[in-house]
Amino acid sequence: LAKTTQPISMDSYEGQEVNITCSHNNIATNDYITWYQQFPSQGPRFIIQGYKTKVTNEVASLFIPADRKSSTLSLPRVSLSDTAVYYCLVDYSSASKIIFGSGTRLSIRP
Amino acid sequence: NAGVTQTPKFQVLKTGQSMTLQCAQDMNHEYMSWYRQDPGMGLRLIHYSVGAGITDQGEVPNGYNVSRSTTEDFPLRLLSAAPSQTSVYFCASSQGGSSGNTIYFGEGSWLTVV
Repeated sequence: LAKTTQPISMDSYEGQEVNITCSHNNIATNDYITWYQQFPSQGPRFIIQGYKTKVTNEVASLFIPADRKSSTLSLPRVSLSDTAVYYCLVDYSSASKIIFGSGTRLSIRP
Repeated sequence: NAGVTQTPKFQVLKTGQSMTLQCAQDMNHEYMSWYRQDPGMGLRLIHYSVGAGITDQGEVPNGYNVSRSTTEDFPLRLLSAAPSQTSVYFCASSQGGSSGNTIYFGEGSWLTVV
């Protein structure tokens, strides 16, 4: 299984753009990169998924370089409500074991 | 539009007691799993199932049993509760175990073992 590495925590301020990078050096050809968001006392929820280049939806953008060994989740103009834990997932196609890891704890300040 | 439903939401157990956390999904998903999350920590996979009649161990399976008699249900049994099992438990499901499938989570079950 590919191991993902992401920062344990990040701080930012309201109105700023936040970029969270995930490293996944051993990503396999068939694997997607998916990000989940977890608010306190709730289960994680899907926010964005990509395979290569750039994906954008109403919540975030996902940038994936050509070598796909890393990816960056971009949250534009964050607000206090974006305070959450963000998980990067890749490579669970081979063994069906979906391992989440520790995620990145994002704190947004006024 | 129920999605993934977990019961109970809150439970207090005494050390040594057993109990079952229920999980049901109405999306006809093949893949189901259980995670635990300790305060301030990430999710750890306990057990998972790739279909009815098939289960396997995750990262932290000790002290827990699962079964998958139907596609819809995936109960988690605590055999003899210990204080170390105090945690929040999340059930999840997805169409498959491949990385292109979205994972849906229940609202969580808060378990305290005293």
